[in-house]
Amino acid sequence: DAGVTQSPTHLIKTRGQQVTLRCSPKSGHDTVSWYQQALGQGPQFIFQYYEEEERQRGNFPDRFSGHQFPNYSSELNVNALLLGDSALYLCASSSDVGSYEQYFGPGTRLTVT
Amino acid sequence: GEDVEQSLFLSVREGDSSVINCTYTDSSSTYLYWYKQEPGAGLQLLTYIFSNMDMKQDQRLTVLLNKKDKHLSLRIADTQTGDSAIYFCAESNDYKLSFGAGTTVTVRA
Repeated sequence: DAGVTQSPTHLIKTRGQQVTLRCSPKSGHDTVSWYQQALGQGPQFIFQYYEEEERQRGNFPDRFSGHQFPNYSSELNVNALLLGDSALYLCASSSDVGSYEQYFGPGTRLTVT
Repeated sequence: GEDVEQSLFLSVREGDSSVINCTYTDSSSTYLYWYKQEPGAGLQLLTYIFSNMDMKQDQRLTVLLNKKDKHLSLRIADTQTGDSAIYFCAESNDYKLSFGAGTTVTVRA
C-alpha cells in the first residue's frame, strides 16, 4: 500500500518564477492538505482540498493556489516566488470519514535564489 | 486562535524514559497529535488522543492529556538511538493541524 507521494523531491527556482508541486494521496484517502515548513519551525497550514474544492485556507497570500483532480491527487502552485518561500512543502492526506488521521508525504524542498 | 508551545531540546540517556511536553491554547481542539520527523524526511504520525480522553498507551508510547491546563505530554519508554528526532505536538481545529515548533530529542549512549 503506497503512502503519500510527492514530486519533485528538490527544486531550485529564481525569484519571480512560478512553481508547481504535486502530491498523490495514500490509497483510500480523498482529502489533501498542504503545509509549509520553514527551517527550524513547525509546519504551517496552507489549505485543504476535498471534492476538488478548497475547503479551508490558512494565512497565505493568493500567490499560493491549488487544485485537486478527480483521482484525488493535488497540485500546489506558487506564483511570483520570493526568497521567503524557500521551505519544505508537505502534503498530507486523510479520509473525510476519518479525517482526524493525517498522513504526510516526504515533502518537496523548494529553494528560491 | 491556536498557539502550540513546546520546549526546544531534550537530551536523554539510552534506556531511560523521555518525556516531551506541550501546551496549547485552543480549548475547542478535538484531537491532539504527536508526530516524529527524522532529518530530511516528512512527518510520521506517532499517536493521537481524543480530547475527551486523559491517557492513551500504545506500546512504548504514553500520551497524557490535562484538558483543564491544556497540557499534553508524550512519554517514550526505554528510549533507543532510533528515537533521536524532532517531535511535534499538534492540535486540530476544523480540518487543519496547528503545530508547535518541535522538540529535538537527542539520545546519548
